[in-house]
Amino acid sequence: DTGVSQDPRHKITKRGQNVTFRCDPISEHNRLYWYRQTLGQGPEFLTYFQNEAQLEKSRLLSDRFSAERPKGSFSTLEIQRTEQGDSAMYLCASSSLGGNEQFFGPGTRLTVL
Amino acid sequence: KQEVTQIPAALSVPEGENLVLNCSFTDSAIYNLQWFRQDPGKGLTSLLLIQSSQREQTSGRLNASLDKSSGRSTLYIAASQPGDSATYLCAVNTDKLIFGTGTRLQVFP
Repeated sequence: DTGVSQDPRHKITKRGQNVTFRCDPISEHNRLYWYRQTLGQGPEFLTYFQNEAQLEKSRLLSDRFSAERPKGSFSTLEIQRTEQGDSAMYLCASSSLGGNEQFFGPGTRLTVL
Repeated sequence: KQEVTQIPAALSVPEGENLVLNCSFTDSAIYNLQWFRQDPGKGLTSLLLIQSSQREQTSGRLNASLDKSSGRSTLYIAASQPGDSATYLCAVNTDKLIFGTGTRLQVFP
């Protein structure tokens, strides 16, 4: 069990560019979650998947954000036309079932210049 | 709408003190409550999980209690050490996690 992994760990980009992050959950986990955390705040829910189905999206997830989990394993989160306000830590978590303990990855820190 | 509040926002104590961190939530319809530790610039490490039917959980020097009816949880840290310095977050699980803003703890020698 290697835990939840995320790639890249850090990303610096210029405003207007597109970025994509990847999350690999714990292998037997059906649920995969994305959260965003800004400085001094607790993480905020963005979206989650059960297997390949995206079951809920937060209103924080604007049209510039899209997430996929095509084969029910890893997931990608893409941000198009990045803005400075997108600068944050993007956290991925997984769990075996809904309502069960969630395990987090190390996060991807995005800086938009 | 579920809201989670943590008090105090920050705490600075000398080594060896016993500590109580507080977490309150507005809606008792939760699956469970998790306490996490976060070091600066890092991800979240799960410390304790309390199911909604449980009253408390213990792990080493940590003890967490849950009173679902009053919407409160406490994290008790015994004999604090400098290595305990971190931000502590509580989160209620309503299928997704809803977090408080955390308590930033500093334990000095």
